[in-house]
Amino acid sequence: AQSVTQPDIHITVSEGASLELRCNYSYGATPYLFWYVQSPGQGLQLLLKYFSGDTLVQGIKGFEAEFKRSQSSFNLRKPSVHWSDAAEYFCAVGASGGFKTIFGAGTRLFVKA
Amino acid sequence: DSGVTQTPKHLITATGQRVTLRCSPRSGDLSVYWYQQSLDQGLQFLIQYYNGEERAKGNILERFSAQQFPDLHSELNLSSLELGDSALYFCASSALDSNSPLHFGNGTRLTVT
Repeated sequence: AQSVTQPDIHITVSEGASLELRCNYSYGATPYLFWYVQSPGQGLQLLLKYFSGDTLVQGIKGFEAEFKRSQSSFNLRKPSVHWSDAAEYFCAVGASGGFKTIFGAGTRLFVKA
Repeated sequence: DSGVTQTPKHLITATGQRVTLRCSPRSGDLSVYWYQQSLDQGLQFLIQYYNGEERAKGNILERFSAQQFPDLHSELNLSSLELGDSALYFCASSALDSNSPLHFGNGTRLTVT
């Protein structure tokens, strides 16, 4: 069965510092991987997605993620965090030909001045 | 703006009651998903419809039901409500199945007293 693990419940970084949020997935075949962001009081918004091809994918708001099949990981990165990036981030996996997307538990990002 | 509309934004009701949550998907999207988000359970997939037909079921209680109408809007019915049903209920839509990114509404916050 497919599953997603986000090991960090919350992370605090200083504004301007780099960020890496971890995501590990379990799925038998090539997964479809997503990162979503949820700001307080809002729904989830897609940051980026990986289906195939280049393992480094670029997303909105300056985020990128790298797919590493050997490590079953899809970590999200940003070189310089802004205070407005404070939110909750969800990694998700969808199955090819399947009908439901499975979300990780989320990582809440705090940004300190 | 994701293009997904959920009503109402907030709902306060008593235990034992029944409520209906409504979702209008993004224009052109055929799939509608319902998710429940609570502090202790995280984001849980409830059910998915595709072009009017049920496609996948997740952790949806028997007291809950959903349907998708010919105009593609969807309703989630929650009955015999319990305190533990208090949560944020999100609707999301996508063009096809879980290969496609999800577009989320802003949710309905249900409080059961």
